[in-house]
Amino acid sequence: EAQVTQNPRYLITVTGKKLTVTCSQNMNHEYMSWYRQDPGLGLRQIYYSMNVEVTDKGDVPEGYKVSRKEKRNFPLILESPSPNQTSLYFCASSSVPGLGNTEAFFGQGTRLTVV
Amino acid sequence: SQQGEEDPQALSIQEGENATMNCSYKTSINNLQWYRQNSGRGLVHLILIRSNEREKHSGRLRVTLDTSKKSSSLLITASRAADTASYFCATVLGKNTGNQFYFGTGTSLTVIP
Repeated sequence: EAQVTQNPRYLITVTGKKLTVTCSQNMNHEYMSWYRQDPGLGLRQIYYSMNVEVTDKGDVPEGYKVSRKEKRNFPLILESPSPNQTSLYFCASSSVPGLGNTEAFFGQGTRLTVV
Repeated sequence: SQQGEEDPQALSIQEGENATMNCSYKTSINNLQWYRQNSGRGLVHLILIRSNEREKHSGRLRVTLDTSKKSSSLLITASRAADTASYFCATVLGKNTGNQFYFGTGTSLTVIP
């Protein structure tokens, strides 16, 4: 079954404690992306990756890091989380947008609370 | 930003009625897509319309695209309580103008049984 898997689904952490949210896809997609969703603000892109070892900043990259060492994995790293990073996070993957009729596949989301 | 704007932000209708939501965007696109999100869950792709298409149907969904006005609409006919969700449009630019999905802010649809 084609899927994007995020872990964990829920996470409560304390300010400053490094954390990683994992994302894995089994569709051999080149493109992967992280979004955060906050009430009234829609989906805002944090980082994206066009392929292995190629990553770029999205609209709200501050306070986040990513890596793309393998095609299937795209972890989101918060080196020193702060309360304003409390949000619902989504990972998505697709074939390269713009090259055809590609759709994005989303993970189930990670609800992060930083206290 | 290319981010689309959906209108209305929230919509409440009776079961059986039609629901129409609109999306406006700013720059030329390769295609436009609509997604659905059940509360707190991941987005699920509904339908894609290419820039050279004007209308597309899928079951109870009808999507129109007007590239001259840079707008699209999603019509859900004969709505059901199970259609209650948030709906997002996403624009995709061409490969020479940024290979990205740009999501709108969403329309929250409530269908009352």
